[in-house]
Amino acid sequence: AAGVIQSPRHLIKEKRETATLKCYPIPRHDTVYWYQQGPGQDPQFLISFYEKMQSDKGSIPDRFSAQQFSDYHSELNMSSLELGDSALYFCASSFGTGSSYEQYFGPGTRLTVT
Amino acid sequence: QQQVKQSPQSLIVQKGGIPIINCAYENTAFDYFPWYQQFPGKGPALLIAIRPDVSEKKEGRFTISFNKSAKQFSLHIMDSQPGDSATYFCAATSGSRLTFGEGTQLTVNP
Repeated sequence: AAGVIQSPRHLIKEKRETATLKCYPIPRHDTVYWYQQGPGQDPQFLISFYEKMQSDKGSIPDRFSAQQFSDYHSELNMSSLELGDSALYFCASSFGTGSSYEQYFGPGTRLTVT
Repeated sequence: QQQVKQSPQSLIVQKGGIPIINCAYENTAFDYFPWYQQFPGKGPALLIAIRPDVSEKKEGRFTISFNKSAKQFSLHIMDSQPGDSATYFCAATSGSRLTFGEGTQLTVNP
């Protein structure tokens, strides 16, 4: 079965640079979520989109922005990168939005800021 | 402040044992409770989930027990195998965002 696709899988950037992470949801899924996971930590919710509109916002820095496009893929844009932004970034998708709609995670993008 | 508290932090069992992972929450608005399994460097994979109007749910070797009045829920893994060695996260949601517990690193020895 098709899964969530994330690209790139690994990304190395320097401080103050920008990065763009891409997420392609499971076909027919209309909701996309972004999570950040630091080393040895649990994933933290950043932001979500349903039908191309922002549906919820968590602890996402102002330096980050995201959007969902007409084909339902999503991009997370990160500017003025800081060392503390180094983490695994996961995208998840679901068919529908709400509590009982199961979220399926992608393999993640490992961002390293040097 | 961790909204979903998970214990233990790590757990070691022998093959065939029944590891039990516990979670507790405070927010009564939570209405859906999934469990995820994560291998190093991989994304969390949905294992099993339960609603608060159900006290127990079984899927294969995995069982969730839910105590609504105590605001606690737990994962039992029957006949555990070395391949089950991974980090397990409980989670809770109201609306759409998942709130995760701190995770339990499970090791199943052969």
